[in-house]
Amino acid sequence: NAGVTQTPKFRVLKTGQSMTLLCAQDMNHEYMYWYRQDPGMGLRLIHYSVGEGTTAKGEVPDGYNVSRLKKQNFLLGLESAAPSQTSVYFCASTRTGRGQPQHFGDGTRLSIL
Amino acid sequence: AQRVTQPEKLLSVFKGAPVELKCNYSYSGSPELFWYVQYSRQRLQLLLRHISRESIKGFTADLNKGETSFHLKKPFAQEEDSAMYYCALSGGSNYKLTFGKGTLLTVNP
Repeated sequence: NAGVTQTPKFRVLKTGQSMTLLCAQDMNHEYMYWYRQDPGMGLRLIHYSVGEGTTAKGEVPDGYNVSRLKKQNFLLGLESAAPSQTSVYFCASTRTGRGQPQHFGDGTRLSIL
Repeated sequence: AQRVTQPEKLLSVFKGAPVELKCNYSYSGSPELFWYVQYSRQRLQLLLRHISRESIKGFTADLNKGETSFHLKKPFAQEEDSAMYYCALSGGSNYKLTFGKGTLLTVNP
């Protein structure tokens, strides 16, 4: 049982390049989330999904797009990367129900030059 | 709006000393509170959730609705407790988490 898997683990981009981060979970969870972690800022929600085919904006959605074509996968896209998007990105998933915790991936460390 | 405040960015204690990491929240409904721990450059792991009232690795946390707090406590800190600790609140039907900014705990030998 792998849990939540993120690919890639590291990436360096040049300003203006595009890329997609992949999150996969094998726990049959309905809800999935993308966060960014920055020093002194904690984790901030970028986008989330409450089920296959649905997406919604979080706290800091600008510059990012997401897609949830399959229940197990949640993709985060950067169309035109900017240095301000240098961060560690975490994906998480959870099942429904009171008190259910979110399960996190190992993170993707992204640097934009 | 929901908000989580962790007033201490850094906390340093000696091994064997008691430790308390503070967490205060703001939420109009009935919140669900969690503590997550992140060891150096690793994924976030669930440490505690208020709904289960459990003790994990010697840590406990009690939800105080009157003071809107969910402080994390351990009577005798160990060096392996050194990590970043995040308090998080979940409210509403979409199970989104709002995180505090984290407290970096260092336990010195």
